[in-house]
Amino acid sequence: DVKVTQSSRYLVKRTGEKVFLECVQDMDHENMFWYRQDPGLGLRLIYFSYDVKMKEKGDIPEGYSVSREKKERFSLILESASTNQTSMYLCASSSDTYEQYFGPGTRLTVT
Amino acid sequence: AQSVTQPDIHITVSEGASLELRCNYSYGATPYLFWYVQSPGQGLQLLLKYFSGDTLVQGIKGFEAEFKRSQSSFNLRKPSVHWSDAAEYFCAVGATSYDKVIFGPGTSLSVIP
Repeated sequence: DVKVTQSSRYLVKRTGEKVFLECVQDMDHENMFWYRQDPGLGLRLIYFSYDVKMKEKGDIPEGYSVSREKKERFSLILESASTNQTSMYLCASSSDTYEQYFGPGTRLTVT
Repeated sequence: AQSVTQPDIHITVSEGASLELRCNYSYGATPYLFWYVQSPGQGLQLLLKYFSGDTLVQGIKGFEAEFKRSQSSFNLRKPSVHWSDAAEYFCAVGATSYDKVIFGPGTSLSVIP
C-alpha cells in the first residue's frame, strides 16, 4: 500500500513564525502536491512538484514556498505565518495516473 | 478550464437507505474521474475511478458510480448506507498535466441511525 505521512497532525504557531510542514511518501512517486482545505472551499492546490528540485505554483501559492530535495520528501514552508493560513494542509503523491494518495493532514492553527 | 460541481453541500439519509451523490464536471475531452471520501480528521481515500471503458464503475465499501457523457455527470451511488459512511465526499477530475486533479467542493453526508 502507498503510504504518505505528514510530520504533524496538529500544529500551533504564532503569527510571524516560519513554519515547515513535511510530507514523505514511500512509493517512489514522481508527483507530489500540497493542498489546503477550508470549509466550503474544498481542496485548493498550493504547489506541486513533478520531479526532484522541480516545483510549480498551484492556485493559491501566495505566502507559501516548497522544497523537494529528495524524491520521497516534499516540504511546505510558510515564510511568515499569518492567521489566514490557519487551515488543514493535505499532502498527496501520484505516479502519472492522476490517482492521488493522501496523507492524514496537518491541522495548523496560527494565533 | 476544468471544473467540478457538487450541487449538494450536505445530505442526510437514514441508515439502510439508498444514496446518490451528484457530480457534474466541465472538461473538453474524455475525463479521468474520481470519487474520494474523507472521514473526520483524516486525509482523503480513493473510492473509485473512471478512466475509460465500462461507464459503471465499482469501488470500495460497496460504492459505484456511473459516467454519463451526455450529462457531464459522474454520480456516486450506494444501495444501502451504513452509519460508518458518514463523511465528506469529493468528486474530482484529472486535469491536463502533471497529474493535477481538480476537486469539487465536497458533499457532507450524515447518516441517521
